Amino acid sequence: GQNIDQPTEMTATEGAIVQINCTYQTSGFNGLFWYQQHAGEAPTFLSYNVLDGLEEKGRFSSFLSRSKGYSYLLLKELQMKDSASYLCAVKDSNYQLIWGAGTKLIIKP
Amino acid sequence: GAVVSQHPSWVICKSGTSVKIECRSLDFQATTMFWYRQFPKQSLMLMATSNEGSKATYEQGVEKDKFLINHASLTLSTLTVTSAHPEDSSFYICSASSGGSTVTEFFGPGTRLTVL
Repeated sequence: GQNIDQPTEMTATEGAIVQINCTYQTSGFNGLFWYQQHAGEAPTFLSYNVLDGLEEKGRFSSFLSRSKGYSYLLLKELQMKDSASYLCAVKDSNYQLIWGAGTKLIIKP
Repeated sequence: GAVVSQHPSWVICKSGTSVKIECRSLDFQATTMFWYRQFPKQSLMLMATSNEGSKATYEQGVEKDKFLINHASLTLSTLTVTSAHPEDSSFYICSASSGGSTVTEFFGPGTRLTVL
């Protein structure tokens, strides 16, 4: 079966750095996506990795290791507005997005 | 760029009525649109994939006669929930991509449906 694993909940302090991990087992791989979803809102696109390595975009970075079936999302200089759920999703061999359950990130002052 | 809109943003209807939700790509042509449903504190669940000009492909367990999808143009897809029941109450979200198998999906803001 296909599976995406990420922690259910994480807590971090404003101004700090947090890393949200995602491991996947899918039938084929055609890219990994990270989305941010605030409560009651639709997901917004954060990053896309299809090759191994680190993609940096402002305060957010995403890393991929295809051989390990592993990715992480790194958030720096945390702000209160970063409190949200972070969704990891992988496109499988049929180019369908397989979604993780999301990681709820709680930022404390 | 890559803006997707949905209308309405929320709707309350009586049991047995039908509700139509529109999804529009505002600044790009969406070859493929996706419809998701999300129950509280649960992950997104893909309902169906629609390609412009062809019939939608429904996920297992999703009734195609209950959830009618039309993708008549490259900028508009509609989802009609027919004979809605309280168990259909959910957050319905569409996403769109401009084509190519690995292109990013951009999401609309979602429609919250409450069936009384």
